[in-house]
Amino acid sequence: DAGITQSPRHKVTETGTPVTLRCHQTENHRYMYWYRQDPGHGLRLIHYSYGVKDTDKGEVSDGYSVSRSKTEDFLLTLESATSSQTSVYFCAIRQGGAQPQHFGDGTRLSIL
Amino acid sequence: DQQVKQNSPSLSVQEGRISILNCDYTNSMFDYFLWYKKYPAEGPTFLISISSIKDKNEDGRFTVFLNKSAKHLSLHIVPSQPGDSAVYFCAASSFGNEKLTFGTGTRLTIIP
Repeated sequence: DAGITQSPRHKVTETGTPVTLRCHQTENHRYMYWYRQDPGHGLRLIHYSYGVKDTDKGEVSDGYSVSRSKTEDFLLTLESATSSQTSVYFCAIRQGGAQPQHFGDGTRLSIL
Repeated sequence: DQQVKQNSPSLSVQEGRISILNCDYTNSMFDYFLWYKKYPAEGPTFLISISSIKDKNEDGRFTVFLNKSAKHLSLHIVPSQPGDSAVYFCAASSFGNEKLTFGTGTRLTIIP
């Protein structure tokens, strides 16, 4: 298995609170990604990173911010959580070139 | 606008028979395609990929076919086994683009 750890694995919080999800990798891969998975939508890209301090938006980036201060850590922050952000969040990493993305086991986030 | 479409939300196949999962895409710039398999409460796992310079790629029981003129790809699993029961996502990207676009997934159930 690719060395990817997501934390926490489950979280329940209230609308309006800030939430930070962490993705940690031990593979020293350049690229890291955050997705959300919702019924009927598959996996949708929120943000991704192509290096330390280098990030870019995906298709559903509104309401989310990210930071990557070290190669191994990619943080996803919901500044003020809303119920529409209830979802399962997956982190992925990729070495580069024609290599595929490898996924963590996800964080189930419920916002009440 | 869904650029990668999996029009069958579910599929049931008898154990030992062939499973065929289909995927259509609309973006003619896509030139690299992947299939992922996902079990409940786990992250997606990379299965097989194909680039647009090929029309077929095989890996054991799994074969992916690409029809560029029809913008269609399919995943064949032969013979199907109970452990193949999972949700299958197809994904696509274009050269130089580090992002993947996913379909909505097909839930495959193998009947013993």
